[in-house]
Amino acid sequence: DTEVTQTPKHLVMGMTNKKSLKCEQHMGHRAMYWYKQKAKKPPELMFVYSYEKLSINESVPSRFSPECPNSSLLNLHLHALQPEDSALYLCASSQEGVQGELFFGEGSRLTVL
Amino acid sequence: EDKVVQSPLSLVVHEGDTVTLNCSYEVTNFRSLLWYKQEKKAPTFLFMLTSSGIEKKSGRLSSILDKKELFSILNITATQTGDSAVYLCDAGGYQKVTFGTGTKLQVIP
Repeated sequence: DTEVTQTPKHLVMGMTNKKSLKCEQHMGHRAMYWYKQKAKKPPELMFVYSYEKLSINESVPSRFSPECPNSSLLNLHLHALQPEDSALYLCASSQEGVQGELFFGEGSRLTVL
Repeated sequence: EDKVVQSPLSLVVHEGDTVTLNCSYEVTNFRSLLWYKQEKKAPTFLFMLTSSGIEKKSGRLSSILDKKELFSILNITATQTGDSAVYLCDAGGYQKVTFGTGTKLQVIP
């Protein structure tokens, strides 16, 4: 299994909602990432978990809250988002910590109304 | 601050042409440079380069790294319409990965 699975594929939420994005991999990778990608821009790193511990937080607003319940799962909890947070959220994993090839999920397309 | 710059930003070529995409980087504690292809959704891995001067090849694609001049190139020969995509380079430092701006390649028949 060489897949990174993200759910949901599409999410529409209001600014007062609380929702979560989920990511799962069963490749035994020990680093997992959240990226945010706006149209026609490269992915922007948000968070990195290495061995289930948060190792990088790229000054992301607190309305985004990551969680790594175990080595296969990564969540991104969303609360009180703004319309400008609408984007494609990509999850990725890598075998060798933050140096190896990234395996990306298909992404969750988020629209904040 | 870490910086990864790709050029050109966009490129339109005809099928059969050869293209060279550039990636220059300034990354603290650089360890590896990776190339990805992004079509409609998630980026897919092409190459990982860690040593200078050693070319990596996969079919019509090849890439090389120059750690002295801090850049990498990605070559695509005999381009096909299926090569149309955004090509991203990612320069990895210790505990950090930084994507470049991307090069959008369009191959027309």
